[in-house]
Amino acid sequence: DADVTQTPRNRITKTGKRIMLECSQTKGHDRMYWYRQDPGLGLRLIYYSFDVKDINKGEISDGYSVSRQAQAKFSLSLESAIPNQTALYFCATSFHSQETQYFGPGTRLLVL
Amino acid sequence: GENVEQHPSTLSVQEGDSAVIKCTYSDSASNYFPWYKQELGKRPQLIIDIRSNVGEKKDQRIAVTLNKTAKHFSLHITETQPEDSAVYFCAASENFGNEKLTFGTGTRLTIIP
Repeated sequence: DADVTQTPRNRITKTGKRIMLECSQTKGHDRMYWYRQDPGLGLRLIYYSFDVKDINKGEISDGYSVSRQAQAKFSLSLESAIPNQTALYFCATSFHSQETQYFGPGTRLLVL
Repeated sequence: GENVEQHPSTLSVQEGDSAVIKCTYSDSASNYFPWYKQELGKRPQLIIDIRSNVGEKKDQRIAVTLNKTAKHFSLHITETQPEDSAVYFCAASENFGNEKLTFGTGTRLTIIP
């Protein structure tokens, strides 16, 4: 089945380290998103991309960067991780003519 | 930008009773309002959505209502079952073609057997 996948599923890292979270999709969707989920704060948009050459900042982009390597791949990087970036990170995709967003399984990140 | 408020943050109902979750939004340009369900340890999944040209939409035991004048929309679950226990998120987005969703903070619904 067409799906959205994320790697790694869990990651522990130390303050100051650079890490990358990866998202791949086989849905053929053109739009991809990165969210972080914190208890009591819901899902907040970090970055989004409507096609390979389009990258946009979301609500909370500071401390993060992204790369859209191909239509099917969208990576999120933390250049220098800090403890308050500890969260559950979700990738999502959608098709330009449909509003529904499909989420990946999430990456649980712990920054020590 | 858009701001979406969601209430209550937690809700417990007896199995078989109804549950209602309410959201308000700030941007009158928003015209698409989805609801996502996230079971424990799972990814959020769309359960129902509504566009601003419709006042109500139903899908079996789930319904969503929209009041554009008051800028609020609600999720109604009737005849609740244990499998309805989850966290529910409302969201709002601007014009079609710009599907940047702003989510509410979530409601943890617990169905008491």
